[in-house]
Amino acid sequence: SYELTQPPSVSVSPGQTASISCSGDKLGNKYACWFQQKPGQSPVLVIYQDNKRPSGIPERFSGSNSGNTATLTISGTQAMDEADYYCQAWDSSTAVFGGGTKLTVL
Amino acid sequence: QVQLQESGPGLVKPSQTLSLTCTVSGGSISSGSYYWSWIRQPAGKGLEWIGRIYTSGSTNYNPSLKSRVTISVDTSKNQFSLKLYSVTAADTAVYYCARISSTVTTFFDYWGQGTLVTVSS
Repeated sequence: SYELTQPPSVSVSPGQTASISCSGDKLGNKYACWFQQKPGQSPVLVIYQDNKRPSGIPERFSGSNSGNTATLTISGTQAMDEADYYCQAWDSSTAVFGGGTKLTVL
Repeated sequence: QVQLQESGPGLVKPSQTLSLTCTVSGGSISSGSYYWSWIRQPAGKGLEWIGRIYTSGSTNYNPSLKSRVTISVDTSKNQFSLKLYSVTAADTAVYYCARISSTVTTFFDYWGQGTLVTVSS
């Protein structure tokens, strides 16, 4: 079965750039999405189709996808961005989620 | 603005069937290019996709759960449902329903608030 691998945790200082990776076999040949989940809340889509932002998502969120790795980048990270982040892709008709990355802003 | 709301028992006994319903408001479940999906999340763990259904009734399931899952849709009630059979403690989780938009690409765009289901005797 297809797998997506994320680092368990990433730390960033306020105002700096955070990068969260998501790796999978030939992931660049698929479209990647990213979700933000804060404690006790439902996931929120922040990036779809590799690099597109839904309405209402700040411009500081961006994405890329090439080769075996998709990357979520948060520029000028704010304290409110502290959350769990999940990548997701489709393998045929099956949705696959990465294990999640806890982003700490300190 | 589409809204999804999960409902169902919060406690299920081992070996029994977990049944949840997702009610969609703010739009017709039959309109547009959308799938309707279930995802779960055990406490402190990641997201696990369970399956999806199109309004035609066509379904896709997570291979790891396929033998125990049925997702159905009731367009007259603007609802879709999940049944998970022969549950064990490992099925204890927050269960989310979500809409999948499928135009150029396919992505989860709206999620319910989630409902906690505990499997225990």
